[in-house]
Amino acid sequence: DIVMTQSPDSLAVSLGERATINCKSSQSVLDSSNNKNYLVWYQQKPGQPPKLLINWASTRDSGVPDRFSGSGSGTDFALTISSLQAEDVAVYYCHQYYSIPGTFGQGTKVEIK
Amino acid sequence: EVQLVQSGAEVKKPGESLKISCKGSGYSFTSYWIGWVRQMPGKGLELMGIIYPGDSDTRYSPSFQGQVTISADKSLGTAYLQWSSLKASDTAIYYCARRIGLRYFVDYWGQGTLVTVSS
Repeated sequence: DIVMTQSPDSLAVSLGERATINCKSSQSVLDSSNNKNYLVWYQQKPGQPPKLLINWASTRDSGVPDRFSGSGSGTDFALTISSLQAEDVAVYYCHQYYSIPGTFGQGTKVEIK
Repeated sequence: EVQLVQSGAEVKKPGESLKISCKGSGYSFTSYWIGWVRQMPGKGLELMGIIYPGDSDTRYSPSFQGQVTISADKSLGTAYLQWSSLKASDTAIYYCARRIGLRYFVDYWGQGTLVTVSS
């Protein structure tokens, strides 16, 4: 199984400031045959199922605000919230689907400072 | 509209059996994989396994192989997760989730089913 490790486990950021979450995989999740990274980012708020934010490491899902962006390739990835809003308080998970059936990172809790 | 509607909350005793369900609608149920995800109280997401209802091809995560059974009834458009003998450590919210392909991400989630196992 590919192990996904997120850092930090939690972070507190002031409203309007940048938040960056890192995700490292124990093996590459880049498929060289199509140059795609098999990694997504989900946001989960209390009492709700996860919501897809970013797919293929860097493509925002439909309707996701452009303050959310994904970057990275191979084994190192990041989710950046460029200007934190109150509604962004949540737990964020990276998830690889390169190996079947896939694995999640442990989650990063984002709070307001 | 794509919907995954899960069965209601359950309270069980250790050693009891249980089968929870996830009914898909608004899409071709047999053409998409359905996965089950566990979330223990206050913890993260764990992918348990996935099934392709079209031919019942099932893949389990190593941690869950032999611990649960994933199945589907394509005539009912419903996927299932079952336990033969529950443990207190099975207490969790269980989500079903749809994915387009074997190596693809989840695009729709069910609302979750809370399973509580307590003596």
